Amino acid sequence: DSGVTQTPKHLITATGQRVTLRCSPRSGDLSVYWYQQSLDQGLQFLIQYYNGEERAKGNILERFSAQQFPDLHSELNLSSLELGDSALYFCASSVAYFSTGELFFGEGSRLTVL
Amino acid sequence: SQQGEEDPQALSIQEGENATMNCSYKTSINNLQWYRQNSGRGLVHLILIRSNEREKHSGRLRVTLDTSKKSSSLLITASRAADTASYFCATGGGNKLTFGTGTQLKVEL
Repeated sequence: DSGVTQTPKHLITATGQRVTLRCSPRSGDLSVYWYQQSLDQGLQFLIQYYNGEERAKGNILERFSAQQFPDLHSELNLSSLELGDSALYFCASSVAYFSTGELFFGEGSRLTVL
Repeated sequence: SQQGEEDPQALSIQEGENATMNCSYKTSINNLQWYRQNSGRGLVHLILIRSNEREKHSGRLRVTLDTSKKSSSLLITASRAADTASYFCATGGGNKLTFGTGTQLKVEL
């Protein structure tokens, strides 16, 4: 158990809909990272938050947004969903803003868009 | 985009055999990490090797790094069925952590 909690584990929705994925980092970790894993793109970094502030953006679509709350949990919002958004979405955390070591990953949220 | 490419893409061995997977990367690095992912599960950190290290061991894992060739290898000795998983190399750190394409390892009884 990494200590990173993600909900929901699975969700199925239709195109055009909006979903919110939730992540609680390990106790004491200030950085939260969101990754998308799909068969064709592999693991792609989406966005990082550190202590409530956005710190870095990766390959995140404009239809996607995220935030980190004062209690350090984070939410990833995916809107106007398309079939191609079907993927595993992972949250990871680390103590520091820029971790040169390991990231601790949650079990992921599997999104299926029909 | 992927920083690393793992080779082979898939590997099937018998329990007790050794498994070797390779990772090539494109840019200079400070360290390289290996992660394991069981089917549909989260990634678990296995080992980190720094750019000034050539070899590192952790239990049944042995990692080598050749910065001149921009490559790393992960050796799992005396494999077990429980080692069945995908293995990813990752370079960079923090929000720059970039994963390779992964090797799917299947260990058969």
